[in-house]
Amino acid sequence: DVKVTQSSRYLVKRTGEKVFLECVQDMDHENMFWYRQDPGLGLRLIYFSYDVKMKEKGDIPEGYSVSREKKERFSLILESASTNQTSMYLCASSHRGLLADTQYFGPGTRLTVL
Amino acid sequence: DQQVKQNSPSLSVQEGRISILNCDYTNSMFDYFLWYKKYPAEGPTFLISISSIKDKNEDGRFTVFLNKSAKHLSLHIVPSQPGDSAVYFCAASASSSNYQLIWGAGTKLIIKP
Repeated sequence: DVKVTQSSRYLVKRTGEKVFLECVQDMDHENMFWYRQDPGLGLRLIYFSYDVKMKEKGDIPEGYSVSREKKERFSLILESASTNQTSMYLCASSHRGLLADTQYFGPGTRLTVL
Repeated sequence: DQQVKQNSPSLSVQEGRISILNCDYTNSMFDYFLWYKKYPAEGPTFLISISSIKDKNEDGRFTVFLNKSAKHLSLHIVPSQPGDSAVYFCAASASSSNYQLIWGAGTKLIIKP
C-alpha cells in the first residue's frame, strides 16, 4: 500500500511567519505534488517535482517555494504566511509512466493563518 | 478558464438508487480521466479511471462513461450506499502534459437513508 504522510494535520500560524509543510512517501515514486484545496475551487496545483532537486511551478506558485533534497520527501515553504494562504494543503505522489498516473494523497494539512 | 467542470456542487440520492455525477471538459487533448473520492479531513483517494480509447470502464458498483464528442464523462454508482457520501472530483490529463492532472471543483454526494 502506498503511504503518503504529512507532518501536521492542523497548523495555526501568524501572518508573516515562515511555514514548513513536510510530505514523505514510501513507494519510491518519482513525482510529487503540492496542492491546495479551497471550497468551490477544487484542487489547484502549487508546485510539483519529477525528480530530486527538480521542481516545476503549478498554477498558483506565488508566495510558495518547495524543496526536494531526497526522493521520498517534498517540502512546501510559505516564506511569509498571509491570511489568504489559509487553506487545506494536500501532498500527492505518483509513479512516472506513460499516462498521467494515479496520484496518491496524504491526509492533508489544514493551515490557518491569523 | 476551467478546463474541467463539475457543474453540480452537490447531489442528494436515496440509498439503493443510482447516483450519477457529471463532468465536462474543454481541452480536446485530454486523453485520460480519473475520479477521486474525498472524505472530510482525509486526502482524495483514487476511485476509477478511463482512457480515451474506451467509452466505458466498470469496477464493481462504479462505472465511468466517456463521450468524447460531447467532451463529457459521468460516474455511475449503483446501488448507492451511505458510505458513498463524500466529495467526488473529476480529473483529466493529456499524455503530452508533464504529469499534471487538471481537476474539477468537486461534487458533494449525499446518500439519504
